[in-house]
Amino acid sequence: GQQVMQIPQYQHVQEGEDFTTYCNSSTTLSNIQWYKQRPGGHPVFLIQLVKSGEVKKQKRLTFQFGEAKKNSSLHITATQTTDVGTYFCAANAGNNRKLIWGLGTSLAVNP
Amino acid sequence: EAQVTQNPRYLITVTGKKLTVTCSQNMNHEYMSWYRQDPGLGLRQIYYSMNVEVTDKGDVPEGYKVSRKEKRNFPLILESPSPNQTSLYFCASSFYQGGTEAFFGQGTRLTVV
Repeated sequence: GQQVMQIPQYQHVQEGEDFTTYCNSSTTLSNIQWYKQRPGGHPVFLIQLVKSGEVKKQKRLTFQFGEAKKNSSLHITATQTTDVGTYFCAANAGNNRKLIWGLGTSLAVNP
Repeated sequence: EAQVTQNPRYLITVTGKKLTVTCSQNMNHEYMSWYRQDPGLGLRQIYYSMNVEVTDKGDVPEGYKVSRKEKRNFPLILESPSPNQTSLYFCASSFYQGGTEAFFGQGTRLTVV
């Protein structure tokens, strides 16, 4: 079945360093969503990207959707301990509009 | 406040004892789904519902049942739980399938012994 590959699986950074997680698909996506799950919490919607080449920013977070709509990235500038958690991408492709989830990237931030 | 409410939050049960996890949303969403989350496996969809009385299997439906008699409620039923169903379960809802924000419940941590 359709898959969305998310890398890396884990990332440890020092506070203040940047962080990026990537999602890649072999097929063209209709849209892609990003979610954050804090430890012990539930996934919370961050953003949705729809247009080819789209770039959206939320404070220190920058989200990009590739020109071919086959990949996306989430970049965090100058990480803080509050950024700790697992970041998931969820992509929509095909006519059934089913969300295909990446396996997530777990971010640990050392203070 | 817009929310998805799951109950219970924690449950320990024995093999074979039927249980129901409830899920309710107050946003008039058409689409609801159940996921299980296991270490290293991400979120896997169990069942989903596109509207009242319309349900369908997700990726891992074996051992589970659902019903959608009312728009706001989407209970998950384990008729005969087994230890391999020990997991963290999430209910989610959205206006429609794909393309809109999904709201998740707080989660239910189920242990089957």
